[in-house]
Amino acid sequence: KAGVTQTPRYLIKTRGQQVTLSCSPISGHRSVSWYQQTPGQGLQFLFEYFSETQRNKGNFPGRFSGRQFSNSRSEMNVSTLELGDSALYLCASSRTVVAPSNTGELFFGEGSRLTVL
Amino acid sequence: DQQVKQNSPSLSVQEGRISILNCDYTNSMFDYFLWYKKYPAEGPTFLISISSIKDKNEDGRFTVFLNKSAKHLSLHIVPSQPGDSAVYFCAASGDTGNQFYFGTGTSLTVIP
Repeated sequence: KAGVTQTPRYLIKTRGQQVTLSCSPISGHRSVSWYQQTPGQGLQFLFEYFSETQRNKGNFPGRFSGRQFSNSRSEMNVSTLELGDSALYLCASSRTVVAPSNTGELFFGEGSRLTVL
Repeated sequence: DQQVKQNSPSLSVQEGRISILNCDYTNSMFDYFLWYKKYPAEGPTFLISISSIKDKNEDGRFTVFLNKSAKHLSLHIVPSQPGDSAVYFCAASGDTGNQFYFGTGTSLTVIP
């Protein structure tokens, strides 16, 4: 079956612009999480959506937002881009809640690499 | 505030030998741990998991050990193969749904 699909794969923006990234989860998966990966920082949790509701949010400023649609597809938006927003943005899907049931895993897409100039 | 730490940025191992990747965490509420492997230009792929009710989990060449008192887990790869060369991330979660805290990764190189 098709994996997690993220678009676009690469994009370049300038400071002050805004960007929207898209994620299509694996069919049947209702949970979509977003992570930011930067050198030396590993993967930092942005937010998670389950059945169109934001369930968890990481420690990122309000410029980072997201939403999930009824078909489980998700988008994240970053407004007023800063140089420090340059990163690989990874989307992960899961059929259900991994914790506290402690089973299963997150399935990651290939990411969207954002460069802010 | 890095709650999950991988203190070795890189590791080199000869083919056929054991690779041991380490991970430490600070939050005693974490009770589920995952290991992921990542190749360049690809997303992370799941390797193995362990729940806090266990101290060991095996899957083929991969074994994860959990020491809750030390807040430490390790991934053993035996025998190591050149195709195992990748960046390995450990991740931890508590009772917060699918919010995982990731380490900064260890780049493993298996030398033929």
